Amino acid sequence: AQSVTQLGSHVSVSEGALVLLRCNYSSSVPPYLFWYVQYPNQGLQLLLKYTSAATLVKGINGFEAEFKKSETSFHLTKPSAHMSDAAEYFCAVSEFSGGYNKLIFGAGTRLAVHP
Amino acid sequence: DTGVSQDPRHKITKRGQNVTFRCDPISEHNRLYWYRQTLGQGPEFLTYFQNEAQLEKSRLLSDRFSAERPKGSFSTLEIQRTEQGDSAMYLCASSLPNIPGLAGHEQFFGPGTRLTVL
Repeated sequence: AQSVTQLGSHVSVSEGALVLLRCNYSSSVPPYLFWYVQYPNQGLQLLLKYTSAATLVKGINGFEAEFKKSETSFHLTKPSAHMSDAAEYFCAVSEFSGGYNKLIFGAGTRLAVHP
Repeated sequence: DTGVSQDPRHKITKRGQNVTFRCDPISEHNRLYWYRQTLGQGPEFLTYFQNEAQLEKSRLLSDRFSAERPKGSFSTLEIQRTEQGDSAMYLCASSLPNIPGLAGHEQFFGPGTRLTVL
């Protein structure tokens, strides 16, 4: 079965600093990988996705992630944090089963951005 | 362009009561998913519909839970005899079919229904 591990349940950065949120996955087949963001009391918004094309994926709001098969990682980065980036971030792998895909999520990383 | 909508956004109920949530997916999406998210955790898959057919149910979905999608459009999730452990955010998502080269793998999420069982 596929699984996702997000290292660090809480990450705190200064405004303008680099954001790095870590995600490692376990999959027996080439995975589809996703990063979602969740603001308080809201649903999940897709930041970016990897679907076996380019290994460096650019998403919305200046985020990007790099797929590294050898490390089974899909870490999320942003060069310069904004206060508005404070939210919870979820990494997910798509498990293909019976003709459809369900998402397997990590436990999430809460990002705090301080002035 | 409307996204996935869910109703109600919040529900407070007493233990033992029944509750029903509604999800309206994006109109051209034939695939619909329910997930449950407890505090401090990522969403967990509950069930999946393709059109009106419920094709998979997670072990998390006990016999107190039932989901329907009667005409392949909106879906309802009912919890009977609620327990305090049912308190969570219930998320609905929808997607297009998985067609190679197209965006079938992306799921679009609604805002969720937060259930509190007292």
